[in-house]
Amino acid sequence: DTAVSQTPKYLVTQMGNDKSIKCEQNLGHDTMYWYKQDSKKFLKIMFSYNNKELIINETVPNRFSPKSPDKAHLNLHINSLELGDSAVYFCASRGEGDTGELFFGEGSRLTVL
Amino acid sequence: SQQGEEDPQALSIQEGENATMNCSYKTSINNLQWYRQNSGRGLVHLILIRSNEREKHSGRLRVTLDTSKKSSSLLITASRAADTASYFCATRGAGSYQLTFGKGTKLSVIP
Repeated sequence: DTAVSQTPKYLVTQMGNDKSIKCEQNLGHDTMYWYKQDSKKFLKIMFSYNNKELIINETVPNRFSPKSPDKAHLNLHINSLELGDSAVYFCASRGEGDTGELFFGEGSRLTVL
Repeated sequence: SQQGEEDPQALSIQEGENATMNCSYKTSINNLQWYRQNSGRGLVHLILIRSNEREKHSGRLRVTLDTSKKSSSLLITASRAADTASYFCATRGAGSYQLTFGKGTKLSVIP
């Protein structure tokens, strides 16, 4: 069983379109994240949710809107896609305890043409 | 701003050799973690070292932490071709659960 699963794995779309990426974790964790990895492999946090509530919202355009229907799911919706949004988006959940270890999904590669 | 900086950016070694990667950071930390990312895959947690620890081992991995220099190193001994991946350090700041990642070191192990 995949612990953190994201869909779709690949997404190719035109500028101006709206798209969503879904994430589900079956680890029972309370906290989930969205990270963006650019072409230079730099991984930057975008959002964090704890038990369906937003707790971290980094400087991200408001075209990006996370939604957490329950603590096992954290979806990312992107409006009016731009070329610069092309990247790999990773969902992660945080393990229990005080260490903060993250469990990542396999990533969703978004290409905006 | 970015917390961790890995060094070198890329490293190529022969199978059986040891690989050492370094990470420097800027602010006080609760712990420092190393992750591996195989090409086209997600990141996988390797090892964690707390701010009050100086060295930790896990299998062929050895991590050191020098809080006075704000630096850490990851040593992979007796490398294998399967160790080929990008390695990232991530710091958890004191009083925070947020992890901040460096840019990673791309390791190539040649059979």
